[in-house]
Amino acid sequence: GDSVTQMEGPVTLSEEAFLTINCTYTATGYPSLFWYVQYPGEGLQLLLKATKADDKGSNKGFEATYRKETTSFHLEKGSVQVSDSAVYFCALSDLNNAGNMLTFGGGTRLMVKP
Amino acid sequence: GAGVSQSPRYKVAKRGQDVALRCDPISGHVSLFWYQQALGQGPEFLTYFQNEAQLDKSGLPSDRFFAERPEGSVSTLKIQRTQQEDSAVYLCASSSFLALNTGELFFGEGSRLTVL
Repeated sequence: GDSVTQMEGPVTLSEEAFLTINCTYTATGYPSLFWYVQYPGEGLQLLLKATKADDKGSNKGFEATYRKETTSFHLEKGSVQVSDSAVYFCALSDLNNAGNMLTFGGGTRLMVKP
Repeated sequence: GAGVSQSPRYKVAKRGQDVALRCDPISGHVSLFWYQQALGQGPEFLTYFQNEAQLDKSGLPSDRFFAERPEGSVSTLKIQRTQQEDSAVYLCASSSFLALNTGELFFGEGSRLTVL
């Protein structure tokens, strides 16, 4: 079945540091890939997505590129802020199946210190 | 309402009790999902509704779990004879017809169930 593996946290960075959170996937079809973020006390929300190979999703300074050859979708940001502290979830969806059903990775907690 | 609303936010149950968790999706959203999130883990799919029809319940862990959405809006997840391993955050998410097949779900804050 489909699965998503992401690096374990917590990841602790100083403000303005470069961020990478690794994500790899296994899927039988041609999934779409997503990063969701959960800020403290809030529900998960979509951060960015890419629907086909070589697409780059971007939002709020975060970027991730759909790499079919390495089955990866690593999240990057050039300069993190304290307000980026949250849990980040990589996810995939086979959009031909069950509407929007998402398969999530285990989540990576990011802590940014001033 | 403006977002997906879940209640109760916190529930403590004694082992063997029945619990009911409610989800109010965003008005007009066709699709509704329930996920289970164990501590330190990612959400895992439980079940999916399109309007009032339960199209996929393959993720429900046992026949003690039951979900319904009788009028195609509010949904209830019921857990009978709760066990300690049922302790988790139960997330509800909804999606509009236009967002079908785009992967964008709107999540509630979840209901945290603790079974003693």
